[in-house]
This record gives sequence, C-alpha cells and structure tokens, in this order.
Amino acid sequence: EPEVTQTPSHQVTQMGQEVILRCVPISNHLYFYWYRQILGQKVEFLVSFYNNEISEKSEIFDDQFSVERPDGSNFTLKIRSTKLEDSAMYFCASSGTELNTEAFFGQGTRLTVV
Amino acid sequence: RKEVEQDPGPFNVPEGATVAFNCTYSNSASQSFFWYRQDCRKEPKLLMSVYSSGNEDGRFTAQLNRASQYISLLIRDSKLSDSATYLCVVNLGGGFKTIFGAGTRLFVKA
Repeated sequence: EPEVTQTPSHQVTQMGQEVILRCVPISNHLYFYWYRQILGQKVEFLVSFYNNEISEKSEIFDDQFSVERPDGSNFTLKIRSTKLEDSAMYFCASSGTELNTEAFFGQGTRLTVV
Repeated sequence: RKEVEQDPGPFNVPEGATVAFNCTYSNSASQSFFWYRQDCRKEPKLLMSVYSSGNEDGRFTAQLNRASQYISLLIRDSKLSDSATYLCVVNLGGGFKTIFGAGTRLFVKA
C-alpha cells in the first residue's frame, strides 16, 4: 500500500539553527500539506501546496517557514531559525487528484529545539 | 466559537458498548468532512469520510447535519483496539485549509 514517508523520525537542534524536514508524498498525489502537533495539543494546519506553489497557509506559517518541492518526489519544510516553541511533531500529508479528498499522513518528524 | 469543536472526553466504555461522538463546525461553507483516529504519539489515520447522506463502514457510522453544522460518529460493538483519540476534520470553504478538532479520547475496557 502506498504511503507517505518522512525523514528523519526525530531531529534535535539548537535554537537559532535551520532545519529541513523531508517528506515523500504518495506518488500520484497532487496536493501536499504540512501540519504540526505540539505535545498534548491538537493538530494544526501550517501550509498546503499545489501545482508548485503555496495554495494556503496559516498564521503559524510565518517568514521563518518555507516549503519546496525540489524534484518530482520530495516535499520539504524548512524552518530558518528555530525557536524553543517550534518543538513539536511535524506531519506531512498528501491527497489525491481532486480537491477535498481525504489526506494521508506520514509518521511524522519529532522536532526538539534545545 | 471554535472552528471545529469536539467533546474532549474521555469516554470510558466496556467492550461491546455503543458510543457516539459529536463535532460542530462554525463555517457554514465547509465542504468536506472526515473522521480520523490518532493513537498516542502516532500520525492521524483516516477512519472515514462523511457524506451528506450518511455512511457506514462496518461498525462505524458517520452522519452529517449541514443545517445544524454538526457531524457524528457512532461506533457499535466497541473493541479494545478502538481505544484512541477520534479527530473530527473539516475542510473549510472548499479551499485547501483543513481544520482539526482537538479530538475525543475513547478508552474501551475489557
């Protein structure tokens, strides 16, 4: 069964450092997303990406965040200068060929900023 | 009013029980609705989409009431393996932004 894969599963970084979280969405999907979940809190939408551009982003997704699809398979989230409050689980998701279809999630990257 | 609101629970039920969860959403233009389940420290996994006419998948039944802006999930004959957090998910206004409820925790005990 096709799945979304994320690497690394856990990343520890020092405050102020840049991190790149990587995702390989399901191969024939067209819509890609990043979410985050701070421990004990709800899943929060960060950004959606379609047709090689950001289609929507939340208030959380400020100038220190960026996304890229550098080739036909990877989808990355970059955090330029990490803060302690960026510590969370980051989930990548993808959905199929039509808008509003269900999204499938990767297993997440646990980011710890120290 | 929160965009998507759920009773946080927890619901503690014995095996074999029937349990129902509700979820309300604030944006009347919302177009797509889903139930996901999330096990502790794992990714959300799709349980089922919710259609206007209501839909069933084995022991699970989902319903949508657009007039009252709520979605429900009914689980019949609960199993121990149903213990998880159930997330109500709404796609707002037909756009790309998807909003998760905070989740309802379910514990099924033997």
